[in-house]
Amino acid sequence: KQEVTQIPAALSVPEGENLVLNCSFTDSAIYNLQWFRQDPGKGLTSLLLIQSSQREQTSGRLNASLDKSSGRSTLYIAASQPGDSATYLCAVRPLGSGYSTLTFGKGTMLLVSP
Amino acid sequence: DGGITQSPKYLFRKEGQNVTLSCEQNLNHDAMYWYRQDPGQGLRLIYYSQIVNDFQKGDIAEGYSVSREKKESFPLTVTSAQKNPTAFYLCASSMSGSQGNQPQHFGDGTRLSIL
Repeated sequence: KQEVTQIPAALSVPEGENLVLNCSFTDSAIYNLQWFRQDPGKGLTSLLLIQSSQREQTSGRLNASLDKSSGRSTLYIAASQPGDSATYLCAVRPLGSGYSTLTFGKGTMLLVSP
Repeated sequence: DGGITQSPKYLFRKEGQNVTLSCEQNLNHDAMYWYRQDPGQGLRLIYYSQIVNDFQKGDIAEGYSVSREKKESFPLTVTSAQKNPTAFYLCASSMSGSQGNQPQHFGDGTRLSIL
């Protein structure tokens, strides 16, 4: 069964730092990997989707990489801002016969202080 | 604007009562999903539906029921059989797409508590 782990569980950094969030998954047979942001008491906002054939995706100050063979993904946030404070979740969509759905990690809670 | 609307934002359930959470989307997405989120845990899939009039159980379907009579709507009923219903419930949708390569989009959630 696919398992997704996110390290660290929480991270606190001063404004302006570049930072990396980690996501690992146990089964490399995936369709894609998706990074989300969740603000307190809110739903999830999709940040980046990486297909299994891709190595990375970029959106503004965010860059996500995927190493499928080692079962790892990283989310790089450049020049962090207090508005980046949120919980970041990664999820993978496993390959398999028939329809498959996302398996989520527990998230990394990020606090960026001014 | 296109999006997913969940209502109500907060809901309280009495013992032995069934409650229904609403999820409506105007994104013309084929697939819809219900997740449960508990503190310190990742999202867990309750039910999903790929097309109208069809739905499948997820990992934690016991004590829940759904219907998919319209493409836009996927209501979730939390029955009295669900003994620990207090949680944050999230609805999502996506295009079906080949090989499941379409991103999921989420509503703002419903927080359910026991009275």
